[in-house]
Amino acid sequence: DQQVKQNSPSLSVQEGRISILNCDYTNSMFDYFLWYKKYPAEGPTFLISISSIKDKNEDGRFTVFLNKSAKHLSLHIVPSQPGDSAVYFCAANNAGNNRKLIWGLGTSLAVNP
Amino acid sequence: DTAVSQTPKYLVTQMGNDKSIKCEQNLGHDTMYWYKQDSKKFLKIMFSYNNKELIINETVPNRFSPKSPDKAHLNLHINSLELGDSAVYFCASSKAGASYEQYFGPGTRLTVT
Repeated sequence: DQQVKQNSPSLSVQEGRISILNCDYTNSMFDYFLWYKKYPAEGPTFLISISSIKDKNEDGRFTVFLNKSAKHLSLHIVPSQPGDSAVYFCAANNAGNNRKLIWGLGTSLAVNP
Repeated sequence: DTAVSQTPKYLVTQMGNDKSIKCEQNLGHDTMYWYKQDSKKFLKIMFSYNNKELIINETVPNRFSPKSPDKAHLNLHINSLELGDSAVYFCASSKAGASYEQYFGPGTRLTVT
């Protein structure tokens, strides 16, 4: 039973345009949501997060939006750059279960020059 | 300076062998984790230690045994390796109470033949 779902395994956008990566979750006990970025042959690196009490968090070109009623969050990258090409993982912190992270399967983003 | 390091980076071994993967972090974090990323790219937590104490122990075969000699190290020992153990294993660490912002090592690609 996958509690965090990233339904798009891949996404391709042009440099300079907006990239929108989506994530859906099922567990209402999640209290914190994160996006991690992963390059090949490296471990994931933390990118941006949002608490369940907020609906938006912005950090430079990256913005995460949370819609609790829809159990949906999205990561916006504007403008997209070729260096953003990576796999993006959505993860949720489970406050009710030893505070472990539950991960989505990732979306592979390709930003074309 | 490497924050979270793992050795070896690649490990090829035969079924039935016993092997260990080592992890060290120099971030001063109290909590360390082992994750397994399988062929479907699903990142799943296996174990977590906080200050050398086991706090998360997911349903993994008891052939897998973590050992934390001190809070900067978390090693993973695997007995009687099976084909299905082939995966990338990631070590991670975080500050206590901030389990959502985890810092990952580069991964160890284990291939069992």
